[in-house]
Amino acid sequence: NAGVTQTPKFRILKIGQSMTLQCTQDMNHNYMYWYRQDPGMGLKLIYYSVGAGITDKGEVPNGYNVSRSTTEDFPLRLELAAPSQTSVYFCASSVDRGTEAFFGQGTRLTVV
Amino acid sequence: QKEVEQNSGPLSVPEGAIASLNCTYSDRVSQSFFWYRQYSGKSPELIMSIYSNGDKEDGRFTAQLNKASQYVSLLIRDSQPSDSATYLCAVNIGPGTYKYIFGTGTRLKVLA
Repeated sequence: NAGVTQTPKFRILKIGQSMTLQCTQDMNHNYMYWYRQDPGMGLKLIYYSVGAGITDKGEVPNGYNVSRSTTEDFPLRLELAAPSQTSVYFCASSVDRGTEAFFGQGTRLTVV
Repeated sequence: QKEVEQNSGPLSVPEGAIASLNCTYSDRVSQSFFWYRQYSGKSPELIMSIYSNGDKEDGRFTAQLNKASQYVSLLIRDSQPSDSATYLCAVNIGPGTYKYIFGTGTRLKVLA
């Protein structure tokens, strides 16, 4: 059982470039989330989804976009990368609202 | 601003001792509470969830919830060096919300 899988694990982007962080889960969870974690700042919610075709903004959505075409996949798109987007990104999923959330391995992104 | 507060530590305990980690939250309607363990450079790993007042035990771990005082704690008995990590408290601020608010974590060091 793979759980939540994220790719890539590491990436270096130049300012202004774009990329997509991939996230897939095989637990048939309806709820999926994208967080970023900066040193000493805790996890901040970027976007979340409550099912295929339904997404909504979290606390820090600026500079990001998401889509949810299937239950399994929840990619995060970065447009026009900026140094402020240097962070570790985690995808998570849960079976229902307020239940245990399970995290992927993370993507460490550096924008230079 | 809904908040989850944790002492950043480090909390140092000798091997075999009980480690006590605390978390307070500001939103009285919070309904679900979680403890995650995060090793350096790794993703958060769920340890415990607790939904009602009182204690919940799982092996060496005990979660304690007091909704009247708005705190949740994690006790680790017979602490081992492998328990050295950052422990994140997370709160689902419900009802009807899909958002989890994370504390910034407490770093635990278990000394051999």
